Amino acid sequence: QSALTQPASVSGSPGQSITISCTGTSSDVGGYNYVSWYQQHPGKAPKLMIYEVSNRPSGVPDRFSGSKSGNTASLTISGLQAEDEADYYCSSYTSSSTLPYVFGTGTKVTVL
Amino acid sequence: QVQLVESGGGLVKPGGSLRLSCAASGFTFSDYYMSWIRQAPGKGLEWVSYISSSGSTIYYADSVKGRFTISRDNAKNSLYLQMNSLRAEDTAVYYCARGPYGVYGMDVWGQGTTVTVSS
Repeated sequence: QSALTQPASVSGSPGQSITISCTGTSSDVGGYNYVSWYQQHPGKAPKLMIYEVSNRPSGVPDRFSGSKSGNTASLTISGLQAEDEADYYCSSYTSSSTLPYVFGTGTKVTVL
Repeated sequence: QVQLVESGGGLVKPGGSLRLSCAASGFTFSDYYMSWIRQAPGKGLEWVSYISSSGSTIYYADSVKGRFTISRDNAKNSLYLQMNSLRAEDTAVYYCARGPYGVYGMDVWGQGTTVTVSS
């Protein structure tokens, strides 16, 4: 199963906005609106931040937003805060694998 | 409250077996698809297996197919992962998670259980 491609790291200063990309193909990200994003702090379980490309579960701050264009999905964090420093993973439904979903490679977000 | 609690991890020799369990509470377990996800030390998330709400549809990662078996007991609100012929590369923290289903992601995760395969 091929993972979706994310940048290894992204950084920003408090208050700034950053965007994490998640690139796939027409068989996954580009073909379905089944994109989710997860935040994982060290030693903790992942937490769902975005589902269905741009929807936030209850309790997720509105500074987190998601979008998609073609085969690339994006997670934007506006007004970056220290507690946003974590690893972020995208996930998508895929029609080209033995598993119906696939994760991205993960992005380490550093707050400078 | 809605909760998933994994158990069964530990140290096992290569070629050995382990059975992981995930106890669900606070929601109607039989309504949800469930997943096992793992994370090797310092690595990213890897989907291991996925099972439908009734247990009739099951998927496995190529890396575990033929060695791992996912199952569920809806009467006991429990998810299982039987792991046989374990290899060093199976060393990871194993998480159970609720979902995904359709557009909805995995919204509830357990705390994880650690599996170490070493001689």
